[in-house]
Amino acid sequence: DIQMTQSPSSLSASVGDRVTITCRASQSISSYLNWYQQKPGKAPKLLIYAASSLQSGVPSRFSGSGSGTDFTLTISSLQPEDFATYYCQQSYSTPSITFGQGTRLEIK
Amino acid sequence: QVQLVESGGGVVQPGGSLRLSCAASGFTFSSYGMHWVRQAPGKGLEWVAFIRYDGSNKYYADSVKGRFTISRDNSKNTLYLQMNSLRAEDTAVYYCAKPPPRVKCFQHWGQGTLVTVSS
Repeated sequence: DIQMTQSPSSLSASVGDRVTITCRASQSISSYLNWYQQKPGKAPKLLIYAASSLQSGVPSRFSGSGSGTDFTLTISSLQPEDFATYYCQQSYSTPSITFGQGTRLEIK
Repeated sequence: QVQLVESGGGVVQPGGSLRLSCAASGFTFSSYGMHWVRQAPGKGLEWVAFIRYDGSNKYYADSVKGRFTISRDNSKNTLYLQMNSLRAEDTAVYYCAKPPPRVKCFQHWGQGTLVTVSS
């Protein structure tokens, strides 16, 4: 199985900060990497697919990059509604899909 | 618009069974493979199972293989997850999820249904 490792596991930041979350795959997954945002009690929401494509309706302050084994999710200027948990997910070995363990983004 | 509505969750004893349903609307259900994903309380997301658009192939996570069965009824636009031999570690919110056309990700999710395995 392909293992996905996110860092950091938690992060404190302030409104307006630039934030980067990283995700590393245990083997090359090309660009088959997606990012989700989840708020408490809610289903995850797709932010970025295929490593760098912004899902329709998602603000442009979210961006993704990377290929192979190393990927990043960047939020250019944090807004109050961005405080949530973020997950990466590999779809290279679809249908056997794996998620990262999550990064909890908290208000400083 | 796309809507996925799970039902069937509840409290069940260890070793018991439960069947979850996911009612789909707003898209041509019979054209899409569908997934179940779960999330234990306070934990991360775990993919559980996938079924092809026509039910011809089914895939499972190792943690549920041999105990869970995914199925679908395209005439009723409904996805199912039959869960047998339930364990405490199966306690989770279970989501059904749909990919977009030609892209390998989960674009649409249901609201989830909670399964609690406890004596």
